[in-house]
Amino acid sequence: EVQLVESGGGLVQPGGSLRLSCAASGFTFSTYAMNWVRQAPGKGLEWISYISGPSNTIYYADSVKGRFTISRDNAKNSLYLQMNGLRDEDTAVYYCARVWIAATTVDYWGQGTLVTVSS
Amino acid sequence: QSVLTQPPSASGTPGQRVTISCSGSSSNIGSNTVNWYQQLPGTAPKLLIYSDNQRPSGVPDRFSGSKSGTSASLAISGLQSEDEADYYCVVWDDSLNGRVVFGGGTRLTVL
Repeated sequence: EVQLVESGGGLVQPGGSLRLSCAASGFTFSTYAMNWVRQAPGKGLEWISYISGPSNTIYYADSVKGRFTISRDNAKNSLYLQMNGLRDEDTAVYYCARVWIAATTVDYWGQGTLVTVSS
Repeated sequence: QSVLTQPPSASGTPGQRVTISCSGSSSNIGSNTVNWYQQLPGTAPKLLIYSDNQRPSGVPDRFSGSKSGTSASLAISGLQSEDEADYYCVVWDDSLNGRVVFGGGTRLTVL
């Protein structure tokens, strides 16, 4: 059974940093690209970042470029999102998601982890 | 504001057919395939339609997708109460070094 479990969310002050993790199981992690997608409270979905299986292709949304860094450790079946320079508008539930076919096609999602940026 | 435009809301009665539109441009819908996701309240999204009109295994054939030019549509026939959810279109956009873009979402209410 495919499972994606996010962790690392919490309350952080504006300008602070946080590192999200996503533990994957039930599939050969290294052969799948992964996305981070977020959803602000009461708002729609926003794609944040994409990383290919071997980490040689990475994309970021303009809203996080230069502040967030996506990475993965295929030996540990884990996906990461390092978030620096956090802003109020980064408050959201962050989902890790397995890519299927193409970057826009996600077949499995984690349960999400809440990041709250507030002073 | 998203580059993909969806109506914020839609509604229908049980058994009806409802259509949700997604309008884009030549750099996204006009040149790439469209996916649709369903998000039930309090849950993670679920892939509903991929590659414009393909249904993943397990998705009822009441759900169908289509695309013409720079617009796409999701149709739900035989509307059921459990279809009440938020629906999002998503596509790859070729502008600005490429990115994934979601529509703003449409909340479907079953009256």
